[in-house]
Amino acid sequence: GQNIDQPTEMTATEGAIVQINCTYQTSGFNGLFWYQQHAGEAPTFLSYNVLDGLEEKGRFSSFLSRSKGYSYLLLKELQMKDSASYLCATHDDSWGKLQFGAGTQVVVTP
Amino acid sequence: DSGVTQTPKHLITATGQRVTLRCSPRSGDLSVYWYQQSLDQGLQFLIQYYNGEERAKGNILERFSAQQFPDLHSELNLSSLELGDSALYFCASSGHSGNTIYFGEGSWLTVV
Repeated sequence: GQNIDQPTEMTATEGAIVQINCTYQTSGFNGLFWYQQHAGEAPTFLSYNVLDGLEEKGRFSSFLSRSKGYSYLLLKELQMKDSASYLCATHDDSWGKLQFGAGTQVVVTP
Repeated sequence: DSGVTQTPKHLITATGQRVTLRCSPRSGDLSVYWYQQSLDQGLQFLIQYYNGEERAKGNILERFSAQQFPDLHSELNLSSLELGDSALYFCASSGHSGNTIYFGEGSWLTVV
């Protein structure tokens, strides 16, 4: 099975940096995804990591350590529109089930 | 726009009824995933199809069923509906590599 843990909520100030951690335990692993979801809307793809290391994409970066079962999403230069839930998800060996964590609600304050 | 199309966007129906939700994947994508998201709940994986065949199954109730057609669109059938089935149902699709998975806008189902 798969078990994914991430903090429930984080608060940060506009312009700051926030790091959202995700730990996972899976019976099979074929990649880790990060999505952003605003309430009542579709999850939006942010990043995908399959190899260890850091992937940078604009203000967002994602890191993966397969040996530690650990990932983080780094949000830089926070904007008010970044207030949303951030979902960590793992893909199992057979490119089948994409299992999501409960999400981290990020609140950006002025 | 993710390229994944879901219909209907909103649906209100009574308990005991049956509904069908439809999903058209992105052009060229062979995999379709269905998820349920209840109020204040995370995304619960229901089922995945790949090129017409069932690939993976999650916590899908026996009252629910799905299929993927030769043109790759998929339908999720929900029957004997209960109040607790009220949720946002998402469809997602991916290509063969599976390294990009995009979600549709979802279908809001309200059971009254």
